[in-house]
Amino acid sequence: GAVVSQHPSRVICKSGTSVKIECRSLDFQATTMFWYRQFPKQSLMLMATSNEGSKATYEQGVEKDKFLINHASLTLSTLTVTSAHPEDSSFYICSARIPGTAKLGGYTFGSGTRLTVV
Amino acid sequence: EDQVTQSPEALRLQEGESSSLNCSYTVSGLRGLFWYRQDPGKGPEFLFTLYSAGEEKEKERLKATLTKKESFLHITAPKPEDSATYLCAVLSSGGSYIPTFGRGTSLIVHP
Repeated sequence: GAVVSQHPSRVICKSGTSVKIECRSLDFQATTMFWYRQFPKQSLMLMATSNEGSKATYEQGVEKDKFLINHASLTLSTLTVTSAHPEDSSFYICSARIPGTAKLGGYTFGSGTRLTVV
Repeated sequence: EDQVTQSPEALRLQEGESSSLNCSYTVSGLRGLFWYRQDPGKGPEFLFTLYSAGEEKEKERLKATLTKKESFLHITAPKPEDSATYLCAVLSSGGSYIPTFGRGTSLIVHP
């Protein structure tokens, strides 16, 4: 149980275009989802916290207008990288807090999206 | 500010050669410490949660222990399929329920 499905797993796009990444909770409702970015040999860097029905909370240094987050339903959060540039190339991972288990380490992660901007 | 430092950054072992990974942490108050396994190109997979000093958890060849300042992930007689990056994360008692991750230890087990 508590599965998060993330798509696409890989995407290559041209500079200046936008890319949307989807994160779905398959068997539970996720009022809160998290978006991380991970560089090679680096830690997971939290970009933003996505809250269903309200605006996302962005971490310091993350451009809100560049990384658009929408959490329109209890099972879907999307991250749109707008006007992508090569420096946006990275591994993006979503995560969801499993209801009622946050105190017990109840976070489940998507399989990640490898974004390459050429 | 919560901090998590993992060592070593990379570890190469021969199959059957036991070893330990270290996770040192600094938090205002520990709510929980987590270990995850991450395979290349995949999201982290939950392994253990530890809550208090002295606690231990085991799963197959892995055993996690916790003190007031650090946690160890012991790997006994590892196999090539144990090769992965192991991430440590802490959840502090203050603030939001968002864990802070270390950079991970990349483990390669050679047959």
